[in-house]
Amino acid sequence: GAGVSQSPSNKVTEKGKDVELRCDPISGHTALYWYRQSLGQGLEFLIYFQGNSAPDKSGLPSDRFSAERTGGSVSTLTIQRTQQEDSAVYLCASSFIGDYGYTFGSGTRLTVV
Amino acid sequence: GENVEQHPSTLSVQEGDSAVIKCTYSDSASNYFPWYKQELGKGPQLIIDIRSNVGEKKDQRIAVTLNKTAKHFSLHITETQPEDSAVYFCAPVERQLTFGSGTQLTVLP
Repeated sequence: GAGVSQSPSNKVTEKGKDVELRCDPISGHTALYWYRQSLGQGLEFLIYFQGNSAPDKSGLPSDRFSAERTGGSVSTLTIQRTQQEDSAVYLCASSFIGDYGYTFGSGTRLTVV
Repeated sequence: GENVEQHPSTLSVQEGDSAVIKCTYSDSASNYFPWYKQELGKGPQLIIDIRSNVGEKKDQRIAVTLNKTAKHFSLHITETQPEDSAVYFCAPVERQLTFGSGTQLTVLP
């Protein structure tokens, strides 16, 4: 597509529920990143997919967080048993491998009530 | 990992004045230094970048300067306009972009 697409744009969920956030990267981009941005803060790295290599999961804050990337394209970030501190904007970005000029989506604003 | 500090956290300037935002980093192996602009409700957008073999790069009203010895790089915006109002992030690369805490720039008409 023309840009990185994320869905939903907004999600309100009850504490303890599971949520899935979707990212559709730019066609042909082989690298995909997930970041989290809490209110008024910078971006916190979560996970990085690079082609067919094993993902870099070093930024995932707990085992409640997981992500997968199917067919080298669409990615899903799953948060299990959501907590209020998970409330944030979750941003996805994609690029060609070795190109650090990431293109970001507009994010999913997650609110846990 | 990379430790990134960005200053100032907020900056207000009069339209037409210049704005400077500074970023310091810790990893001497970093070799790519971008600046991103984030408008309300949108994801960050790359506005300018520089690689470690270059000291300065300009693109119209914006420029980035790099001092690898001191491990800092700066964003310079000249002739500021109201549409420059946004949050700006530096994001030096370790294995992936490591973002600073951001600078809220407000350009006053």
